[in-house]
Amino acid sequence: KQEVTQIPAALSVPEGENLVLNCSFTDSAIYNLQWFRQDPGKGLTSLLLIQSSQREQTSGRLNASLDKSSGRSTLYIAASQPGDSATYLCAVRPSNTGKLIFGQGTTLQVKP
Amino acid sequence: GAVVSQHPSWVICKSGTSVKIECRSLDFQATTMFWYRQFPKQSLMLMATSNEGSKATYEQGVEKDKFLINHASLTLSTLTVTSAHPEDSSFYICSAPQTGVGYGYTFGSGTRLTVV
Repeated sequence: KQEVTQIPAALSVPEGENLVLNCSFTDSAIYNLQWFRQDPGKGLTSLLLIQSSQREQTSGRLNASLDKSSGRSTLYIAASQPGDSATYLCAVRPSNTGKLIFGQGTTLQVKP
Repeated sequence: GAVVSQHPSWVICKSGTSVKIECRSLDFQATTMFWYRQFPKQSLMLMATSNEGSKATYEQGVEKDKFLINHASLTLSTLTVTSAHPEDSSFYICSAPQTGVGYGYTFGSGTRLTVV
C-alpha cells in the first residue's frame, strides 16, 4: 500500500531564506508526482508535476526533484516571501490507478 | 489551463436537510472526477470516484446513501450530502484529471459545509 510522508509538518522561516520541503513515498511504482499549494479555506493549486521518467521540474522560484528509486521528492523554494506562506501538499499517482495519494502536508510560514 | 469550478464555496444548513455541491469542468471534458473530504489541519481523504454515465465508486468506509454522487455529463459532477448532521461538517473538494498524456490533476476551490 502506497504511503506518502511529508517532513517537516510545519516550518517557519524569515523572509529571503531558501528552503526545502521533503516528500517520501513507499512504493516506487508511480506514474507521476505533483506538488500543490493550499491556502487556508481554499482549494489546491498545482505547482509542479513530475513524470516518473523525469528528475526535476522548475517554475520560477520553485524547483521540484524526483528520485523514484529512493522514493523521495523535494520542493525547493528560493528566496522565500511572505506570500509563500501556505500548506504544501505532495501527491503521488500510483502506476496502477488514477487516484492520488496525498501526504499530510507541510505548513509554511514566511515571516517578513 | 484546465479549470474546475466548484459551487457553492460555503453553505450552512440545518440538520436533516440535504445539500448539493457541484463541480464543473469549464474548458475540458472530465469523464472522471474525484471527491475529497478534508478535516481541519489534515490532508485530503478520497471519498469516491465519479464516472460519467456510470455509478460512482466509493472508498471503504464512505456511506453511499449519505453521499450521493452523480456524474450526469462530461462537464458536471455533483455530490449530495443527504440528511446532513453536524459530523458531516467539513471541507469538500473535487478534482479532475487534466486531458492529455501525463497531465496532472486540477482541483475545485472547495466547499465549506457547516451543519447546525
